[in-house]
Parts: sequence; structure tokens; C-alpha cells
Amino acid sequence: EVQLVESGGGLVKPGGSLRLSCAASGFTFSSYSMNWVRQAPGKGLEWVSSISSSSSYIYYADSVKGRFTISRDNAKNSLYLQMNSLRAEDTAVYYCARDGIPGWLQRYFDLWGRGTLVTVSS
Amino acid sequence: QSALTQPASVSGSPGQSITISCTGTSSDVGGYNFVSWYQQHPGKAPKLMIYDVSYRPSGVSNRFSGSKSGNTASLTISGLQAEDEADYYCSSHASTNAPVFGGGTKLTVL
Repeated sequence: EVQLVESGGGLVKPGGSLRLSCAASGFTFSSYSMNWVRQAPGKGLEWVSSISSSSSYIYYADSVKGRFTISRDNAKNSLYLQMNSLRAEDTAVYYCARDGIPGWLQRYFDLWGRGTLVTVSS
Repeated sequence: QSALTQPASVSGSPGQSITISCTGTSSDVGGYNFVSWYQQHPGKAPKLMIYDVSYRPSGVSNRFSGSKSGNTASLTISGLQAEDEADYYCSSHASTNAPVFGGGTKLTVL
């Protein structure tokens, strides 16, 4: 089955760190760019970060630049998001999402995981 | 990285058609034919409904259609059904390499 499964969310104090993972299965992970998209409680979708298939191209939203790091391990079919210096406003469900066409970046997101909740609170 | 502009809510009766607009700029919606639309039911992950302005993924009903004129894209749902009630988000590739989403539109089927 083609799917993405996120993990690693939880409760963390302001200033703390968390590492999210996204396990991919059912498709050739190494051929696709990947993304993180988040959704604060009761709010809309916000793009967070993108990484190309070979990790050559990486982009971040201004709101997380310098604090979050996206990475991938094609041998393990996994995507990661290292989140440091977390703030209350980072509280959200974090989704990993696949780019729709192999070799493209940020064209559209055709496969989404169920998300993992990150809560930043003291 | 400003969000695209969508109406907060739209409504329609079963069988009717509705259209949701999505307004951006020449740096995103107007500059690329890479507008996509997502449906999200409460507590669920977003689902791709339209990509590249007007293309439907396999399995998506042909009641859903997309278009674009200038800096504004539109999603039209015809023959409204109860299961169409959900939040809808537009998104666009952008020249900044920071894709943008709309604020979301809550569709109510009366």
C-alpha cells in the first residue's frame, strides 16, 4: 500500500527540540521530492519545508528558517524534520506530503500522511 | 510568503453548484499553472482534488473542476452532495520556492 506514516510528535517545552519522522512505503521514495506541511489547531494549512529527491535542493518557510532542518534517508525510505528552539506558535499537526511528479519540486502534493501532533507548552 | 485569499465560507443545497475563488499574485497563481486544490474533512488529512489548475487525480469525481484567470483560480463543485461538506484549500507554486496555501473555505451543504 502506498502510504506515509509520521511519528515523533508530542509535548515539548518552549525552547525545546523534537525530531519528526515520516516512513514511506509502496512507492520509489528516492524518486520524489518531499515536504512538511503543518496545521495549527483550528487553522489552515501552512507549508513548512521541502527537500528534493537527492537532497540537492532544500527550502524553508521564513517562520521556521534557522530553527528547523529537513533531511531524508533514501536507503531507509524516511523523511525527517529536526525542530529546535520550539515556540508556542509551532504547535500544530505536522503532515509529510509527497510531490506529485517524480523529479519536480513543490508542484502539488498528491500523497499525505495522517499527521503527528506537536504541542509546545510549559 | 503571504497566503492566497479564499472566502471563509460558502454554502449550497444538494444538487446545486458552488465556486470557490482563490486569489494570489503574479508571483504565484498568475505566474504558474501549478495551482492545486485540497479537500479536508474534520480530523483527516488533506486530499488532492485538482492539480495543475484543472486536472483531476484518478478517483476524484468529475463533479470537481478547476480553472484560472489571471491571478485568480477557482474550484467548482457541481451536483453538490452531502459528503462534499468539508474545508477546501487552494495552493500554488511560487517564485520564492515557498508554496503558498489559501486560508481555507468551509463548504456547508444545506
